[in-house]
Amino acid sequence: QKEVEQNSGPLSVPEGAIASLNCTYSDRGSQSFFWYRQYSGKSPELIMSIYSNGDQEDGRFTAQLNKASQYVSLLIRDSQPSDSATYLCAVGFDRGSTLGRLYFGRGTQLTVWP
Amino acid sequence: NAGVTQTPKFQVLKTGQSMTLQCAQDMNHNSMYWYRQDPGMGLRLIYYSASEGTTDKGEVPNGYNVSRLNKREFSLRLESAAPSQTSVYFCASSEAGPNQPQHFGDGTRLSIL
Repeated sequence: QKEVEQNSGPLSVPEGAIASLNCTYSDRGSQSFFWYRQYSGKSPELIMSIYSNGDQEDGRFTAQLNKASQYVSLLIRDSQPSDSATYLCAVGFDRGSTLGRLYFGRGTQLTVWP
Repeated sequence: NAGVTQTPKFQVLKTGQSMTLQCAQDMNHNSMYWYRQDPGMGLRLIYYSASEGTTDKGEVPNGYNVSRLNKREFSLRLESAAPSQTSVYFCASSEAGPNQPQHFGDGTRLSIL
């Protein structure tokens, strides 16, 4: 069973702070890692993809991957109230019957207060 | 560019009724997916289609059927709706093969009384 774990939160940070969201996964065969943002009542929106160890930056967002520790994180710098949403971690595998599938964590709810 | 389009956006059914949720994508993606999302449960895969002509069960397929009508369209059918199927249903699509991100439609909010 492929498990993807996230702290459900809620995580509450002040405007301008760094928000740190974490995700762990169970299968060492995992090859691809994604972060989705989901506003209340809306659909998940892809915001970051990362495939190799290290950091991947896009604007205020940085995804960090450590395959040895089976850990992926998302940092949001200069957090804004508009970042308030649920963040979903998704993990992909590249073999066998799981080809193409993504496994999602249950999400971390982030609130950024002014 | 519409991306992934789901219809209807909202639906209320009575127990035992049937209905089909429609999904179409215009991104020329080979793979398509149906998820349900319930409070506290996250996204759970119902069925997926890795390519036109193939479908496979996900985590929670019971009570559902799917049809991959063509490359663009992937429908989800509830033959005899039950209150436990009250949920938000999302369709997603992706390029073929491993390690591809999925792109989601706006969802269908389904209530079964």
